[in-house]
Amino acid sequence: DAGVIQSPRHEVTEMGQEVTLRCKPISGHDYLFWYRQTMMRGLELLIYFNNNVPIDDSGMPEDRFSAKMPNASFSTLKIQPSEPRDSAVYFCASSFGESTEAFFGQGTRLTVV
Amino acid sequence: GDSVTQMEGPVTLSEEAFLTINCTYTATGYPSLFWYVQYPGEGLQLLLKATKADDKGSNKGFEATYRKETTSFHLEKGSVQVSDSAVYFCALSGGRTGGGADGLTFGKGTHLIIQP
Repeated sequence: DAGVIQSPRHEVTEMGQEVTLRCKPISGHDYLFWYRQTMMRGLELLIYFNNNVPIDDSGMPEDRFSAKMPNASFSTLKIQPSEPRDSAVYFCASSFGESTEAFFGQGTRLTVV
Repeated sequence: GDSVTQMEGPVTLSEEAFLTINCTYTATGYPSLFWYVQYPGEGLQLLLKATKADDKGSNKGFEATYRKETTSFHLEKGSVQVSDSAVYFCALSGGRTGGGADGLTFGKGTHLIIQP
């Protein structure tokens, strides 16, 4: 398996624009997680899904953030409208069943100017 | 809520030195504990894990023992190499629920620099 695949690797956008980050989890994994990494706050869990259903979105910072998982092999994290303080590296991770070992993608570095 | 505290960095060592990175945690349930490593420009990779008290996780010469009495999971390596230079994250999962994939709670990370 190629591992967790995220796209794009880098995204630069202007304030106010919509940004969509994409993730393909490892085939067969039934949990998917979105994390945000910043220098100030470290790694934060934003939301996670089980069998495509959002379970806990308490880490999503604002209503400007939304995440979907339309099927077992694809998820998106959308920011609309984007703001400079959203600049961070966003990681997607997946895991299987009751195992809590998560496999991470390489991340998307988002810069909002 | 759950939290993880790890020593601040950067930690700078010479090659072949002994490494310890301290990690302590707070959790209401019975968490699993992890060390992840992040190389520059890369995502996080699992280094080792322990799922219950007194378990020892080990990988690539690194070790960590789950100490429930001291709520600690310190990372150690007997002889570090330049290639070990990276950021190391201590993390826990399942503290709130006692198990299951409810997401990882991470420490802030420790930047390790190994000089030749």
